[in-house]
Amino acid sequence: NAGVTQTPKFQVLKTGQSMTLQCAQDMNHEYMSWYRQDPGMGLRLIHYSVGAGITDQGEVPNGYNVSRSTTEDFPLRLLSAAPSQTSVYFCASSTATGDEQFFGPGTRLTVL
Amino acid sequence: QQQVKQSPQSLIVQKGGISIINCAYENTAFDYFPWYQQFPGKGPALLIAIRPDVSEKKEGRFTISFNKSAKQFSLHIMDSQPGDSATYFCAALRGFKTIFGAGTRLFVKA
Repeated sequence: NAGVTQTPKFQVLKTGQSMTLQCAQDMNHEYMSWYRQDPGMGLRLIHYSVGAGITDQGEVPNGYNVSRSTTEDFPLRLLSAAPSQTSVYFCASSTATGDEQFFGPGTRLTVL
Repeated sequence: QQQVKQSPQSLIVQKGGISIINCAYENTAFDYFPWYQQFPGKGPALLIAIRPDVSEKKEGRFTISFNKSAKQFSLHIMDSQPGDSATYFCAALRGFKTIFGAGTRLFVKA
């Protein structure tokens, strides 16, 4: 069991570029979510999904898109990167109850 | 608007001492209160959690105390060890939305 995997580990973008952060889990979890972690602010929920084909917004969804075509994958798209999106991004998954979340190792993104 | 407030921001404890981290929440609809532990370069991992119908939960050296009327909960780490040095996040869950506190960086001196 690989658990939750994220790629890439590091990424540098220029302002205005777009990219997709990948997330996959092999635990057959229904619930998946994306967080960003910034110093002094904890983890903030960007988007989440309760199953394939179902997504919803979290606390800070602006500038990000998600889709959930399979149970395993939950990619996060940055449409037009901005310096304010410089952060560490974590993907997480959990069972249908949403209680214990299993986090991936994170992607450190820098937008210049 | 910070729905879950965590303190202190940082904490230094001697080996063998007790580490105490406090959190307060505003929304009474929250129904699950987990604590996550994060080591540098890693994702957070669930440490211990409690539901609001219980006032205390203990797992090994880790204890959550929960005060529903005050809307506060705290993590106590007994006999703190250098290996406990990490960042700790409290959180509150409502439905499928988890709101995290800002985190406490704990350093246990050997």
